[in-house]
Amino acid sequence: DVKVTQSSRYLVKRTGEKVFLECVQDMDHENMFWYRQDPGLGLRLIYFSYDVKMKEKGDIPEGYSVSREKKERFSLILESASTNQTSMYLCASSTSGGARDYGYTFGSGTRLTVV
Amino acid sequence: KNEVEQSPQNLTAQEGEFITINCSYSVGISALHWLQQHPGGGIVSLFMLSSGKKKHGRLIATINIQEKHSSLHITASHPRDSAVYICAVARAGNKLVFGAGTILRVKS
Repeated sequence: DVKVTQSSRYLVKRTGEKVFLECVQDMDHENMFWYRQDPGLGLRLIYFSYDVKMKEKGDIPEGYSVSREKKERFSLILESASTNQTSMYLCASSTSGGARDYGYTFGSGTRLTVV
Repeated sequence: KNEVEQSPQNLTAQEGEFITINCSYSVGISALHWLQQHPGGGIVSLFMLSSGKKKHGRLIATINIQEKHSSLHITASHPRDSAVYICAVARAGNKLVFGAGTILRVKS
């Protein structure tokens, strides 16, 4: 089974801290994604990556950056955490095959609270 | 108007009932996903569809590409089916656009 592992399930950080959320997948997937989930707003795409050292902004990239130095690892960085970044963060990976092969796997999520 | 609309937002059913959740979308897609999320839990992919119908156990998913509509059916519902069900459409580059989710509660 494909596994997407997020390093922390729950995290509490102070305003202004630099925060790293780590995500590792074990199935050699090309594509990796970071989403955040908020009540009433659903899931929204922050950043994604199609390949090592490649990154593209999603719908809400402000206040975030990412790093993909190795194919299996995709890190989300909050440069200076703020209270409006309190949220559930979900990492996902997928193949980059044809339209019939877009299997998607999600991590179990990191619930981040910024105080 | 959201690109992906789900209905109903909330659904309460008695154990054993047949359940239908609907999803309509307004954009071109490469695939449609049905996802399940339990409270406090991660998201599990139930189905990925690009045409027709798929069945897995008591779950059935259908899609009508011409009408831009998909349905998720649960037969013989059970309390353990209680969860949030999310429809998501895959756009170019396999980026997902999500519906708001349907909160399902199945009472015993």
